[in-house]
Amino acid sequence: EAQVTQNPRYLITVTGKKLTVTCSQNMNHEYMSWYRQDPGLGLRQIYYSMNVEVTDKGDVPEGYKVSRKEKRNFPLILESPSPNQTSLYFCASSLDMMYGYTFGSGTRLTVV
Amino acid sequence: AQRVTQPEKLLSVFKGAPVELKCNYSYSGSPELFWYVQYSRQRLQLLLRHISRESIKGFTADLNKGETSFHLKKPFAQEEDSAMYYCARNQAGTALIFGKGTTLSVSS
Repeated sequence: EAQVTQNPRYLITVTGKKLTVTCSQNMNHEYMSWYRQDPGLGLRQIYYSMNVEVTDKGDVPEGYKVSRKEKRNFPLILESPSPNQTSLYFCASSLDMMYGYTFGSGTRLTVV
Repeated sequence: AQRVTQPEKLLSVFKGAPVELKCNYSYSGSPELFWYVQYSRQRLQLLLRHISRESIKGFTADLNKGETSFHLKKPFAQEEDSAMYYCARNQAGTALIFGKGTTLSVSS
């Protein structure tokens, strides 16, 4: 089944403890992206990637890192999480942006 | 910067009533626009793309370049249409920019 898989689905962590949210797609898509969703703010883009080893900042990149060493994987790294990064995170991928994105199921992160 | 504006946070209608969810975009050449739907905090699902001019679940959307709008419409709302709806546009072929979303609530 063609899909975007995120792990974990839920995560509670403490301030300052490094974490990684994984994202993998099995559709050979070039484009991948991370968004965070917050009430009243909609979806805001964190980082995006147009191909292997090509990444760029979105609207809210502070406090996040990404890497794209393989086409299928696009992990989101929080080196030192803070409570304001508590949010619902979505990974997405696309073969061509004219078709729009396919989204993962989301990761609900709570930083205490 | 290119923007997508959804002016309504919440739209409440009765079952069977017409629905129009508004979306306006900042002018920039020929935009590629999308509507996504999200049920009960699930993943976002693509509802329709303006380039395909299709109708999904009874919803349609027409691009109006004069008014820079891409409103989502359905003639008769159903309770199962209750969800969050996001309008989005393709930004320079690299990513999608989303509006803040409109919650549609359909009651009987």
